[in-house]
Amino acid sequence: QVQLQESGPGLVKPSETLSLTCTVSGGSISSYYWNWIRQPPGKGLEWIGYIYYTGSTNYNPSLKSRVTISVDTSKNQFSLKLTSLTAADTAVYYCARSQWEPSWNWFDPWGQGTLVTVSS
Amino acid sequence: EIVLTQSPGTLSLSPGERATLSCRASQSVSSSYLAWYQQKPGQAPRLLIYGASSRATVIPDRFSGSGSGTDFTLTISRLEPEDFAVYYCQQYGSSPFTFGPGTKVDIK
Repeated sequence: QVQLQESGPGLVKPSETLSLTCTVSGGSISSYYWNWIRQPPGKGLEWIGYIYYTGSTNYNPSLKSRVTISVDTSKNQFSLKLTSLTAADTAVYYCARSQWEPSWNWFDPWGQGTLVTVSS
Repeated sequence: EIVLTQSPGTLSLSPGERATLSCRASQSVSSSYLAWYQQKPGQAPRLLIYGASSRATVIPDRFSGSGSGTDFTLTISRLEPEDFAVYYCQQYGSSPFTFGPGTKVDIK
């Protein structure tokens, strides 16, 4: 079955850029939508945005000015960049798949998540 | 943006009891595009229900979802020890997709 794995630095300085990659194994990245979701410690979930394997994107307006999601189909990976970081961006970042239909945006499966701490 | 409210915040029950969790939306969720997730400490959320009432693969039938419009319910018919966790609802009827704040089901 499809598995997702996040990778990237666990500590980033304020004002810098966060870069994370999600590697998809056990299936192709084609024909699905791929998402980033985050969860501050002890808090709820926030959808960041998605990318279709063709490269089209949809971002949460609350983060849109700072977010870029990209896809590399040759590596079966997609990536997140988040700029101008502050302590409020400290969170566990998850990647997750939604379905092939553009309106079927429930999330399954999820990666295990990676904690990113913004601190000097 | 659709805001989701979940109640109660915490539900204290014993194994074998029935759990009823509520999710209310600030506006109607189109086509009942609502999902439920279970999250245990240190783990990623796990999909339980999509389309308000369709169980995800390998989810036991003690979990059921219902509702439409602005009011949705997740019911766990008989709590098993592994069901004590935090439960989130999520709407995907309109972007941005949003989650509720969660209901914690803990052992009484």
